[in-house]
Amino acid sequence: GDSVTQMEGPVTLSEEAFLTINCTYTATGYPSLFWYVQYPGEGLQLLLKATKADDKGSNKGFEATYRKETTSFHLEKGSVQVSDSAVYFCRAGGTSYGKLTFGQGTILTVHP
Amino acid sequence: GAVVSQHPSRVICKSGTSVKIECRSLDFQATTMFWYRQFPKQSLMLMATSNEGSKATYEQGVEKDKFLINHASLTLSTLTVTSAHPEDSSFYICSASITGLAYNEQFFGPGTRLTVL
Repeated sequence: GDSVTQMEGPVTLSEEAFLTINCTYTATGYPSLFWYVQYPGEGLQLLLKATKADDKGSNKGFEATYRKETTSFHLEKGSVQVSDSAVYFCRAGGTSYGKLTFGQGTILTVHP
Repeated sequence: GAVVSQHPSRVICKSGTSVKIECRSLDFQATTMFWYRQFPKQSLMLMATSNEGSKATYEQGVEKDKFLINHASLTLSTLTVTSAHPEDSSFYICSASITGLAYNEQFFGPGTRLTVL
């Protein structure tokens, strides 16, 4: 079945550091790939997405590229801010009805 | 973008009571809505999928008599936690999909924090 593996956290960085959160997936077909962000006490917000190979999703300084050859969708940001502290979820949208697959989430804490 | 609301955002109830959580799509018609449960510091667990006008499809291990889901219209789905107990305390999140296909984008509600005393 479909699965998503995220880099285990928590990740702790200083402000302006470079961020990478790894995400790899296994799926039949070619799923759409998403990154969601969840701030403390809130629901999920879509951060970015990519729907086909080599697509790059970007938003708020975050980027992720759909790599079919490595089945990966790593999240990157060149310079993190304290306000980026949150939980980040990678998701693969499979072709099976209703069977959406989330990664386990990565807690990011950014210190001033 | 599409907006999904949940009500209430927080609820505290006594053990043995029932709690209803509403999920609404505000500016689109959602053919399918999904209910998730999230434990502290954990990922989302899909509980059930509901289509407007039909019975919900529950994931393995989710008690359908405990978690009643109704999707009466294209903009509203409700989750009722019946005879709630402290172990039901959790963060419940709904999402809505326009076409109902898994690989299409889902729009998430802000979540409901349920605390059962």
